[in-house]
Amino acid sequence: DTGVSQDPRHKITKRGQNVTFRCDPISEHNRLYWYRQTLGQGPEFLTYFQNEAQLEKSRLLSDRFSAERPKGSFSTLEIQRTEQGDSAMYLCASSSRLAGGHNEQFFGPGTRLTVL
Amino acid sequence: GNSVTQMEGPVTLSEEAFLTINCTYTATGYPSLFWYVQYPGEGLQLLLKATKADDKGSNKGFEATYRKETTSFHLEKGSVQVSDSAVYFCALSDTTNAGKSTFGDGTTLTVKP
Repeated sequence: DTGVSQDPRHKITKRGQNVTFRCDPISEHNRLYWYRQTLGQGPEFLTYFQNEAQLEKSRLLSDRFSAERPKGSFSTLEIQRTEQGDSAMYLCASSSRLAGGHNEQFFGPGTRLTVL
Repeated sequence: GNSVTQMEGPVTLSEEAFLTINCTYTATGYPSLFWYVQYPGEGLQLLLKATKADDKGSNKGFEATYRKETTSFHLEKGSVQVSDSAVYFCALSDTTNAGKSTFGDGTTLTVKP
């Protein structure tokens, strides 16, 4: 399967701990997006990369959040000093101008974070 | 900015009933419109899409038509099945906004046998 993959699928942590999620986009997709989805809501944009450059960050992305895409392939999203309000599904998506255009994003299965 | 407003749920139907889930949008550019489906504990699956006005997206018996004059993209299915029970999200993305997606809050559909 060559779709977007995310790891881990589920993460349970205690408040104050750091967590890191990984996203592997579809090969050769140059854009990668992170979204957060809380219970009963639609996904909300967090940040996106074009190749290795992080081009935009939402105001939802506090200083405790950092995202990287060091070689323009996989990406990591780290949350430091987790809070209970960080509990959500974190979704990754990728797109390519050559595969449907950047208007069409392909989503991964998500990482569900629970902060106790 | 861009926004998507979806019909509030939950929606409960009997098998073989007709389904409509309303969706209207506000966008500054010329967006593409999407319907996604999410089954419990899973990620988003693209159900159908339309990239320009008057386009009709269709898949698995579901249809939606991009109506620019009413800024709408309502989802319809003529005969729902129990297996259609899921949460449905209307969304738009816009290349003038870096292709970021804006989602509605989702509508939960339950189909009873």
